[in-house]
Amino acid sequence: KQEVTQIPAALSVPEGENLVLNCSFTDSAIYNLQWFRQDPGKGLTSLLLIQSSQREQTSGRLNASLDKSSGRSTLYIAASQPGDSATYLCATQSSGDKLTFGTGTRLAVRP
Amino acid sequence: EPEVTQTPSHQVTQMGQEVILRCVPISNHLYFYWYRQILGQKVEFLVSFYNNEISEKSEIFDDQFSVERPDGSNFTLKIRSTKLEDSAMYFCASSGAGGRNTGELFFGEGSRLTVL
Repeated sequence: KQEVTQIPAALSVPEGENLVLNCSFTDSAIYNLQWFRQDPGKGLTSLLLIQSSQREQTSGRLNASLDKSSGRSTLYIAASQPGDSATYLCATQSSGDKLTFGTGTRLAVRP
Repeated sequence: EPEVTQTPSHQVTQMGQEVILRCVPISNHLYFYWYRQILGQKVEFLVSFYNNEISEKSEIFDDQFSVERPDGSNFTLKIRSTKLEDSAMYFCASSGAGGRNTGELFFGEGSRLTVL
């Protein structure tokens, strides 16, 4: 059974800092890994999707990497802004249809 | 930009009552999902639906739950007799541009269900 863990659980940084969020998973036989952003009381916004054959994906100030063999993914946020404050979730898709989610990293960017 | 829409945004119901949550997936998507998130906990998979039938369901999705695609646009989740522990945010999602196992999932804003 896939288990997804995210570290740290919470992070507070000053504006402008570059930061890294970590995601680890126990079953390396995944089809893809997806990073989401969740604002309080809101839905999930897809940020990046990495297929199992890919090593990284970039979108604007976000870069996600995937190391399937070691069961790890990182989300790098460059030049953080207060508007980046949210909970960031990673989720893997392995056998079947379902995504298995981590517990998330709650990010606060201080002005 | 196309999006997944869900109604209602919040529903309060009495224990034992039936609830229907509605979703309009992105129009050219083929795979539809329901997930839920109990307050403070992980997002959990409930069910996936493709080609007018359930393709996978979790142990949470017992006989009290059912899904339906009554027409070409709506996708519904019915809870027959709600329990206190059904209180959660329910998310609908869809995918399909890339096909199964490669498609990016797009989520709606969620329907918050409160069971009293």
